[in-house]
Amino acid sequence: QVQLQESGPGLVKPSGTLSLTCAVSGGSISSGHWWSWVRQRPGKGLEWIGEIFHSGSTNYNPSLENRVTMSVDESKNHFSLRLIYATAADTAVYYCARQGYASLSPSLDSWGQGTLVIVSS
Amino acid sequence: DIQMTQSPSSLSASVGDRVTITCQTSQDINNYLNWYQQKPGKAPKLLIYDASNLETGVPSRFSGSGSGTSFTLTISSLQPEDIATYYCQQYDNLLYIFGQGTKLEIK
Repeated sequence: QVQLQESGPGLVKPSGTLSLTCAVSGGSISSGHWWSWVRQRPGKGLEWIGEIFHSGSTNYNPSLENRVTMSVDESKNHFSLRLIYATAADTAVYYCARQGYASLSPSLDSWGQGTLVIVSS
Repeated sequence: DIQMTQSPSSLSASVGDRVTITCQTSQDINNYLNWYQQKPGKAPKLLIYDASNLETGVPSRFSGSGSGTSFTLTISSLQPEDIATYYCQQYDNLLYIFGQGTKLEIK
């Protein structure tokens, strides 16, 4: 069973860069799935940030695409998120997730436990 | 863009009650609608995909129905461990869109 684990700094300075990595275990990142980042601001709902395929193809949420970059490292079996010009509004729990195969409509069938990132000086 | 409206935003029910949460979309999305459960402090978990298919391991008291623009998540007999926030989700124009969430509490 695939497992995902987010890692990265828990504190980012305003105007700085938020960088997170999601390590995939129990399966290969090159297995044909799309891999997503989702965030949840304190007390709020789920916001999808974007997704990446092992080839490097990406789809981003238009609301964030001018600040977001995702990358994948097949040799390390992990993928990463980079969000520039961070503000307090980017304070959130960040989840990585995997798009499943079972559904006709894209769904996220495996999730990391999430990591809290606070943007503050 | 397809708009999603989930209701109610919060719900209080007793153990053993039948609970229903609805999700409506502004356009016909066939049956391409998924449901997630998020327990406090935990990651979301896929419950139901393609409107009515139970994800492996999900208790049979959960069910989903609907197609087109109106969808329903039903818990046939509420259990204490079902306390969570529930989200619907659809995929449109290369974008995952989540409903606003329904917070379910025990009365």
